Amino acid sequence: GENVEQHPSTLSVQEGDSAVIKCTYSDSASNYFPWYKQELGKRPQLIIDIRSNVGEKKDQRIAVTLNKTAKHFSLHITETQPEDSAVYFCAAGISGGYNKLIFGAGTRLAVHP
Amino acid sequence: GAVVSQHPSRVICKSGTSVKIECRSLDFQATTMFWYRQFPKKSLMLMATSNEGSKATYEQGVEKDKFLINHASLTLSTLTVTSAHPEDSSFYICSARPTDVLTYEQYFGPGTRLTVT
Repeated sequence: GENVEQHPSTLSVQEGDSAVIKCTYSDSASNYFPWYKQELGKRPQLIIDIRSNVGEKKDQRIAVTLNKTAKHFSLHITETQPEDSAVYFCAAGISGGYNKLIFGAGTRLAVHP
Repeated sequence: GAVVSQHPSRVICKSGTSVKIECRSLDFQATTMFWYRQFPKKSLMLMATSNEGSKATYEQGVEKDKFLINHASLTLSTLTVTSAHPEDSSFYICSARPTDVLTYEQYFGPGTRLTVT
């Protein structure tokens, strides 16, 4: 089955710096890669996703890149702000059918003012 | 739009009793819902895929007789933890995928914190 590895487990940056979180997946059939942000005690919220027919996607300060050959994808957050502090999860799934997602272990991002 | 609710948000039960958790999609239909378990400061572990009108598909290592799933309608899935034990204490969270085949996204409920004493 699918296995998703996520690094780093914790990340501490200064406000205004960039943050990069990386994930690798094992199942070459996976074609949908969402990123979720989970604040303490709250539900995961989708922040950006990418499908395998696209190499990069950007939404304001957030971007995701996908390298299908290497089976890895990354989340890039620029100009970080304290409110970006949260746990970020990557996931991989196969669209169609049940579309189940397998999640990475999570990255705890701390943005210091 | 795309709101998912869970009930209850917190539940405390005694060892040996059963607990039912409801997951509802409030403003969309969801043929497929998912149940996850999340330990403190850990990731979301997929337990099972709930399919409306058919049996749930359980992930390896998840006891189907322990965690009963019923997806009776396009807006409701329930997870029943049977004969609960302290090791079942955890945060259970569901997600729902809109029936629209063009939608890949899953929307998460707020979660249910189960404590078994």
